[in-house]
Amino acid sequence: DAGVTQSPTHLIKTRGQQVTLRCSPKSGHDTVSWYQQALGQGPQFIFQYYEEEERQRGNFPDRFSGHQFPNYSSELNVNALLLGDSALYLCASSLYWTGFSNYGYTFGSGTRLTVV
Amino acid sequence: AQSVTQLGSHVSVSEGALVLLRCNYSSSVPPYLFWYVQYPNQGLQLLLKYTTGATLVKGINGFEAEFKKSETSFHLTKPSAHMSDAAEYFCAVSEINFGNEKLTFGTGTRLTIIP
Repeated sequence: DAGVTQSPTHLIKTRGQQVTLRCSPKSGHDTVSWYQQALGQGPQFIFQYYEEEERQRGNFPDRFSGHQFPNYSSELNVNALLLGDSALYLCASSLYWTGFSNYGYTFGSGTRLTVV
Repeated sequence: AQSVTQLGSHVSVSEGALVLLRCNYSSSVPPYLFWYVQYPNQGLQLLLKYTTGATLVKGINGFEAEFKKSETSFHLTKPSAHMSDAAEYFCAVSEINFGNEKLTFGTGTRLTIIP
């Protein structure tokens, strides 16, 4: 059973550029969430997608945008990259909350983005 | 808004000794709490979770945690540390908004095992 797959694993970009990160959720999951983990910090919630719509968003600027496809996979786009965007970007998949048993996510291994 | 605080950014224990990683939460509603582990250059792996029912929760790799409402705590323990336990550990609380769940994480505790 494949878990959450993220690509690429590592990426180096220049300030001002745009980047797209990709995520395939665990089989059977329909919700994708994205987190940013800066060095030495805990993951910070960026946004969550369900039924191809952004359902909730954390405290991130509009430079961060996303998309979910009909097969539940997702993309995270970041425009006008800043040095401070350097981080590990984690994708997590889950089932849309239907009860107590659904709490918790399955995380991918992340994409390490370095902005120079 | 819900939050978690992890006391101690770094914890070192000897191999075979008790592991205790501390987490306190703040929540206006009954919390749903999690512990995740992160090995170097990897994503997060769920160790255990508390939703309802028994307050002592057993997880993988011999870890367990006890939910104490009176102390707003959810500390992680393991009776005997193993070298393979060296990793970063994150406590998290779940928040549900109209059926959409998100996790709020603590800043993490790096566990070092001394041979």
